[in-house]
Amino acid sequence: DAGITQSPRHKVTETGTPVTLRCHQTENHRYMYWYRQDPGHGLRLIHYSYGVKDTDKGEVSDGYSVSRSKTEDFLLTLESATSSQTSVYFCAITSDPGELFFGEGSRLTVL
Amino acid sequence: GENVEQHPSTLSVQEGDSAVIKCTYSDSASNYFPWYKQELGKRPQLIIDIRSNVGEKKDQRIAVTLNKTAKHFSLHITETQPEDSAVYFCAASTMNRDDKIIFGKGTRLHILP
Repeated sequence: DAGITQSPRHKVTETGTPVTLRCHQTENHRYMYWYRQDPGHGLRLIHYSYGVKDTDKGEVSDGYSVSRSKTEDFLLTLESATSSQTSVYFCAITSDPGELFFGEGSRLTVL
Repeated sequence: GENVEQHPSTLSVQEGDSAVIKCTYSDSASNYFPWYKQELGKRPQLIIDIRSNVGEKKDQRIAVTLNKTAKHFSLHITETQPEDSAVYFCAASTMNRDDKIIFGKGTRLHILP
């Protein structure tokens, strides 16, 4: 498996609180992605990065921000969590546009 | 932007029979089409992919076909086995430097004994 870890793996929080999910890789891959997975919606792209400090919006970016200050870390922040952001979040990495290697996922519950 | 439609959302086949999952895409610039398998509680993993310079690719019991004119591609699984039960996702990408990889909504495949 590619060296990719997500933290935390599980989190329960309350509406209105900030949340940060971390994706850490040891592969020195250029590209990193954040997806959310919900029943009936598949994998939807939130934000992605194609280099340090190079990020762009995906399909469902409202309410989320990201930062990538170094190659190995890609942070996803929910400034003020809402119940609609309850989901499983997957980080993925790749060296060139091609095969994605996914992390194990982070399950977020917003009460 | 790219939009990927996937059908059916659920598919049940008898063990040993074939399964076919179909996807369409909207961006004619897309040229890379991977398929991912996600077992229950696990992360998605690539099982096969195809690039636009070929029309078909096979890997043992799995094959993918691509029709660029019609903008659709399909996953074919022959001689299905219980371990094929999973959710399958198709995706499309232009493979450009700043590209997005967009997924379909997934197909839940049940292999019936």
